[in-house]
Amino acid sequence: GAVVSQHPSRVICKSGTSVKIECRSLDFQATTMFWYRQFPKQSLMLMATSNEGSKATYEQGVEKDKFLINHASLTLSTLTVTSAHPEDSSFYICSARDPGLGHNSPLHFGNGTRLTVT
Amino acid sequence: DAKTTQPPSMDCAEGRAANLPCNHSTISGNEYVYWYRQIHSQGPQYIIHGLKNNETNEMASLIITEDRKSSTLILPHATLRDTAVYYCILVSGYALNFGKGTSLLVTP
Repeated sequence: GAVVSQHPSRVICKSGTSVKIECRSLDFQATTMFWYRQFPKQSLMLMATSNEGSKATYEQGVEKDKFLINHASLTLSTLTVTSAHPEDSSFYICSARDPGLGHNSPLHFGNGTRLTVT
Repeated sequence: DAKTTQPPSMDCAEGRAANLPCNHSTISGNEYVYWYRQIHSQGPQYIIHGLKNNETNEMASLIITEDRKSSTLILPHATLRDTAVYYCILVSGYALNFGKGTSLLVTP
């Protein structure tokens, strides 16, 4: 079945530095990937939609200059948290669906990246 | 996407069936009912989905009422590893919008 791989699974960085998170579709090509964020004891919130070969679209309230998304190939999207601050500490999760299975096929999720900013 | 309503928490004894309800009274004709679950500190896991017919796979069964205004996810023989937050989501393509889900606790 469709597999989405995310790396790293856990990262600790100092305030003011940038962190890059990778999301890969392992056995299918994904023109679209979705990035979510989850704070403790809360549900997942959609941050942005990553589109291969074009600009990402961001949900209301998500700063595009802070959360840089690059979808340079059909199997890789990256999320860079720039100038990270402690309030950016969260669980970041990517997802994608296999377009070959239809637009109503299940979204598959990576295992998430736990970001801690000190 | 239309909203769903789920109980915040449920308990189930190990080995018994877990029946998780979901109300979606404003569902539109082209929206599928999807179920995902999230075990602590992991990404959500797809369980099952359906449009109007009942569905069954190796993980669970999905019962959708005839008017499609509610559905029930059934885990036929719950195990301790089924303890998770279960999300019922309505989808018509595009991304998923997660509600608060039901926190299911399976007890020995």
